[in-house]
Amino acid sequence: DVVMTQSPLSLPVTPGQPASISCRSSQSLVNSDGETFLTWFQQRPGRSPRRLIYMVSNRDSGVPERFSGSGSGTDFTLKISKVEADDVGVYYCMQSTHWPRTFGQGTKVEIK
Amino acid sequence: EEQVVESGGGLVQPGGSLRLSCKGSGFTFSDYWMSWARQAPGKGLEWVAIIKSDGSVKMYVDSVKGRFTISRDNAKNSVFLQVDSLRVEDTAVYYCARDFFRSGDVWGQGTTVTVSS
Repeated sequence: DVVMTQSPLSLPVTPGQPASISCRSSQSLVNSDGETFLTWFQQRPGRSPRRLIYMVSNRDSGVPERFSGSGSGTDFTLKISKVEADDVGVYYCMQSTHWPRTFGQGTKVEIK
Repeated sequence: EEQVVESGGGLVQPGGSLRLSCKGSGFTFSDYWMSWARQAPGKGLEWVAIIKSDGSVKMYVDSVKGRFTISRDNAKNSVFLQVDSLRVEDTAVYYCARDFFRSGDVWGQGTTVTVSS
C-alpha cells in the first residue's frame, strides 16, 4: 500500500498568519494517463470530513480562496494564506491513484 | 441540497453482523460511484470499500475482504455495507461518501459501529 506521510502532525498557528502542511507519498501518484489523484480534507472537531482540494490543486465549491494545494509526483503541500479561527481541525491528505486509497496520519491545526 | 445520510450502526458482539445503509438525495445517485470509509475512536481515516455507479465493480481494503460486502440499489438511491464477522478493531464511525474525481465530495454524518462483548 502507498504510505502517506504528513508533517507536521501538530501546527499551532496565529490568526492572520500563513500555514503549510506537507504530504509525501511512498510512490509516485501520477497514473498512466498523467493524472494525479491527491486530495486534501478538513475535519473540524466533532464533524465529518470535508473535501477542500482534489487532484492536487482544484478547490471545491465553497472552499475559501485562502486554501490552496500544490505539488507533483510524491511531494504535495496544502497552504492556508491567512489562518482564521474557523480553520481549526485536522487536515488529511489522501491518495486515490492506487488501490487501496490511503490517508496521511492527519495534521492538527490549532490556534495559538 | 446534495446529501447522504447513513444509518444502521449499533452495538454488536464480536463475530456479529450489521447492515449499514446510506441514502443519497439532491443528486442523480445512479451517476456516481459510492464509498464507505471509517474512523476508529481518536484515530485517522481509512477507506473501506467502493462501488461503481452501476454496481459492476466493487473494491475493498484488505482488512475487510471476505467479511464486508458493499452493494447498492439505484432505484432507492441507496448504498449498503454488510459487515459480518465483526472484530473489536472494526469499532469506528462509518461514513458514506459520494465519489467525484476519485475522492469523496459529499459525506454523511456517519453511523457508529461498536464491537464489544
